[in-house]
Amino acid sequence: DAGITQSPRHKVTETGTPVTLRCHQTENHRYMYWYRQDPGHGLRLIHYSYGVKDTDKGEVSDGYSVSRSKTEDFLLTLESATSSQTSVYFCAARQGMNTEAFFGQGTRLTVV
Amino acid sequence: AQSVTQPDIHITVSEGASLELRCNYSYGATPYLFWYVQSPGQGLQLLLKYFSGDTLVQGIKGFEAEFKRSQSSFNLRKPSVHWSDAAEYFCAVGPQGRSTLTFGKGTMLLVSP
Repeated sequence: DAGITQSPRHKVTETGTPVTLRCHQTENHRYMYWYRQDPGHGLRLIHYSYGVKDTDKGEVSDGYSVSRSKTEDFLLTLESATSSQTSVYFCAARQGMNTEAFFGQGTRLTVV
Repeated sequence: AQSVTQPDIHITVSEGASLELRCNYSYGATPYLFWYVQSPGQGLQLLLKYFSGDTLVQGIKGFEAEFKRSQSSFNLRKPSVHWSDAAEYFCAVGPQGRSTLTFGKGTMLLVSP
């Protein structure tokens, strides 16, 4: 896992509630990413960060926000969870644009 | 539009047979290229990567991939598949000079006895 920890690993929440997923890395990676994985869609990029307080949107960013106040932590927030956000969420991190990304174990989120 | 395509959603291969998984990309310049593998319920593990130089790259678990600029392809190969290779395989592309890392939709490999 190259020192990437996601929490929680599983979560069930109700529609309309806020949810925050945490990604913590110990390798001082500059770049961090949040993906969601759904059958038939592969991994789709939600948001990414290229440094502390530097973030940008991916292809499926609607309904999600992120924050990175420290190098090691990248938070993904669903402001008001919807059933369409039921998914497995993966965090990834890498040192530079020309290096491979390392992944966390994923968070399975169910919105009921 | 920039994209990564894995044309095969599922592939079934007999144990001991050879394997080739296809990946095509659409980017202006040669991007950084990766293959990852995901076992059920697990995260993604890097198999191999291509940045520059020799177009045939070797990875872990006996996998290799060949970059073909003229075809915008980066196909993954293995000469003899083992039952433990059954998993989902993802091709990923990182455009040079950009922070993003884009994945294909994946190919599920099934290995038959």
